Amino acid sequence: AQSVAQPEDQVNVAEGNPLTVKCTYSVSGNPYLFWYVQYPNRGLQFLLKYITGDNLVKGSYGFEAEFNKSQTSFHLKKPSALVSDSALYFCAVRDGGDSSYKLIFGSGTRLLVRP
Amino acid sequence: NAGVTQTPKFQVLKTGQSMTLQCAQDMNHNSMYWYRQDPGMGLRLIYYSASEGTTDKGEVPNGYNVSRLNKREFSLRLESAAPSQTSVYFCASSEWVTGLGETQYFGPGTRLLVL
Repeated sequence: AQSVAQPEDQVNVAEGNPLTVKCTYSVSGNPYLFWYVQYPNRGLQFLLKYITGDNLVKGSYGFEAEFNKSQTSFHLKKPSALVSDSALYFCAVRDGGDSSYKLIFGSGTRLLVRP
Repeated sequence: NAGVTQTPKFQVLKTGQSMTLQCAQDMNHNSMYWYRQDPGMGLRLIYYSASEGTTDKGEVPNGYNVSRLNKREFSLRLESAAPSQTSVYFCASSEWVTGLGETQYFGPGTRLLVL
């Protein structure tokens, strides 16, 4: 069965410092991995995804994520955090061998960037 | 393009009442989804429609029904609302693109309170 774990409920970082939001996954086939961000009272916005190819994926707003097959991880990173990055971040996985397109979401990590 | 739209934005129901949540997308996507979001649990798939004319159960389908009215519209019906269905409901749509995979795009959500 597919699953996603986001081990931190909240990540606190000072503005200008690098940030990392962790995600590990479990699928039986090839993983398709996604990061979404949710601002208060808004829907989810797509940030980036890994389907195949380079392990380092670059996305919106300066975010990037590294796919690590041996550690089954897909951590979200940004070199220099902004206060406006404060939001709820979700990692999601889909089994590439599953034709149903179903995504499994992690429980979310709240990022708080302090000035 | 409006993307994915949902109505209503907010609804209060009494236990046992019924209602239909509406979702429409203008991106000509084949696949559409309904999720619910509960604190600390991420998003859970209720139903999905891989293409017009087909619907399938997701992770938490009990108490819900869906209709894929046409390619644009996918509605979610609660026949007899229960307090456990208090949640935020998100609709999403997606399309598979060769070489790029598939990305789900989300609506702004419907906040439902069942008393």
